[in-house]
Amino acid sequence: DIQMTQSPSSVSASVGDRVTITCRASQGISSWLAWYQQKPGKAPKLLIYAASSLQSGVPSRFSGSGSGTDFTLTISSLQPEDFATYYCQQSYSTPPTFGPGTKVDIK
Amino acid sequence: QVQLQESGPGLVKPSQTLSLTCTVSGGSISSGGYYWSWIRQHPGKGLEWIGYIYYSGSTYYNPSLKSRVTISVDTSKNQFSLKLSSVTAADTAVYYCARLDDYFDYWGQGTLVTVSS
Repeated sequence: DIQMTQSPSSVSASVGDRVTITCRASQGISSWLAWYQQKPGKAPKLLIYAASSLQSGVPSRFSGSGSGTDFTLTISSLQPEDFATYYCQQSYSTPPTFGPGTKVDIK
Repeated sequence: QVQLQESGPGLVKPSQTLSLTCTVSGGSISSGGYYWSWIRQHPGKGLEWIGYIYYSGSTYYNPSLKSRVTISVDTSKNQFSLKLSSVTAADTAVYYCARLDDYFDYWGQGTLVTVSS
């Protein structure tokens, strides 16, 4: 199985801050990477797919980049509704695997 | 708009079989093109993919759970189901159904299943 790691595990930030989350795969996955946002008590929501493509309806302040083994999710200007946990997930090979998550909370 | 909804018992006794159903609306499972998945999340933890099924009945399971998992599909009801046998407290989790189109683009709201006597 491909192992996914994320850093940091948590980040405290203020509204308006730029936030960057990193995801690393244990082997090359080309651009087969997605990012999800999960709020407490809710299902994950797809934000970014194919490493850098924005899912329909997702605000443009979210962006993704990377390929191979290293990826980033950037929130350009954090909004109150963005406080949540973010997960990366690889779809390069089965089983699909998720990172452990990064919690973004209020400073 | 595709919607998924999990249903099933919220409490299962140890050693018994956990059974959940996911009902899909707004789209037909039999139209093909997607894999219909089960994913779980232990309390306060990350996401674990359990397995998926294609409308034809082809399945793929997470090797870590393969010996205990069965996923089936009923295209006439537009539903797919999960059975997890010989459950223990370690199987207590929120169980999600989701549509896989390379990525998990639609999710159910999730259902908490507690394993306890």
